Amino acid sequence: AQSVTQPDIHITVSEGASLELRCNYSYGATPYLFWYVQSPGQGLQLLLKYFSGDTLVQGIKGFEAEFKRSQSSFNLRKPSVHWSDAAEYFCAVGKGASGTYKYIFGTGTRLKVLA
Amino acid sequence: GAVVSQHPSRVICKSGTSVKIECRSLDFQATTMFWYRQFPKKSLMLMATSNEGSKATYEQGVEKDKFLINHASLTLSTLTVTSAHPEDSSFYICSAGLRSSYEQYFGPGTRLTVT
Repeated sequence: AQSVTQPDIHITVSEGASLELRCNYSYGATPYLFWYVQSPGQGLQLLLKYFSGDTLVQGIKGFEAEFKRSQSSFNLRKPSVHWSDAAEYFCAVGKGASGTYKYIFGTGTRLKVLA
Repeated sequence: GAVVSQHPSRVICKSGTSVKIECRSLDFQATTMFWYRQFPKKSLMLMATSNEGSKATYEQGVEKDKFLINHASLTLSTLTVTSAHPEDSSFYICSAGLRSSYEQYFGPGTRLTVT
């Protein structure tokens, strides 16, 4: 069965430090991959997505992610974290044909940023 | 573009009553809408997928008679929680998409509290 794993439930980094959030997926075909961010009590905001092409994807707020097929991974990175980046981050894989596709979300990684 | 709204943002209802949550795509016509439920500090669980003008497709384990979904137009889907009980208290998030796309656009969520 398809699944998405985010191994780190919590991550704490200092402001200005680099960040990498891990995401591994299990899916037979080429997946559509997404990273979303959620602030407390809020909906989800799309950070970036991968459908095809260049495996290094640039997103909003200075985030990037790299699709590695051999490792079934789509890790999210940011070179210098800001205090406002503290939030919950979800990786998701989209599966199915367009019109009937679904998202499978990982369990999320809560990011805490130390001043 | 691609803005999705939800109403209400918060609702408190008494046990045994029903409550309706609206999800609207404000600047595009959504052929498909999705309803998710998110427990505190947990990931999003897909409840059902609805295509405009047809019956919703519910995920395994989701009670169709308790969570009534209507997608009567290309810009509006509603989720009605019938005979609500305290265990139905949760954060409900909708998303909307296009039949030709693999991207979903998320609403801000509705916090339901059943007393």
